[in-house]
Amino acid sequence: NAGVTQTPKFQVLKTGQSMTLQCAQDMNHNSMYWYRQDPGMGLRLIYYSASEGTTDKGEVPNGYNVSRLNKREFSLRLESAAPSQTSVYFCASIRDRGYYGYTFGSGTRLTVV
Amino acid sequence: EDKVVQSPLSLVVHEGDTVTLNCSYEVTNFRSLLWYKQEKKAPTFLFMLTSSGIEKKSGRLSSILDKKELFSILNITATQTGDSAIYLCADNAGNMLTFGGGTRLMVKP
Repeated sequence: NAGVTQTPKFQVLKTGQSMTLQCAQDMNHNSMYWYRQDPGMGLRLIYYSASEGTTDKGEVPNGYNVSRLNKREFSLRLESAAPSQTSVYFCASIRDRGYYGYTFGSGTRLTVV
Repeated sequence: EDKVVQSPLSLVVHEGDTVTLNCSYEVTNFRSLLWYKQEKKAPTFLFMLTSSGIEKKSGRLSSILDKKELFSILNITATQTGDSAIYLCADNAGNMLTFGGGTRLMVKP
């Protein structure tokens, strides 16, 4: 099925460990986004990529890095995980920066202990 | 900085009730206002509103935008237990969506 695929679905990390969350879309969308969702906080933008080869910081970028590997893939890396990064992470994509709603991945539930 | 505020934070109703969810926004480069429903996983798209005063409708759900007063409402009539979810609104100001904190709706049988 076409859409946005995120891996892994669940992950537990120890403080200080690193990991990369993967995201891929097969809809030929130009823009891709990483959000985190904490209870009662809605979704907050971490980083986004308006097109292949470009990335920009969102509202809460500290502690994260991203790579837009190609048009399909946009990964999020935690270099040294902290308990404050315990959250649900969503990747999303959109065809262009216009009037259309996002397509979301199914999310990654990350716990840092 | 764009700001989106939703109210109430949570709501408990019984099946058959009608509910109204509120979303106010302050944005510098408004393009559209979107509503999403989030059950257990990813948000799913409900409506996108760009023009003031024009109601969007899908079954028992409807939404309207007031660009002068900078708010939108989402109405759900004859609620069902399957409507239980978090409802998110977001403004689209160009590069990204800015989300409100959501309204958690619980519909009891």
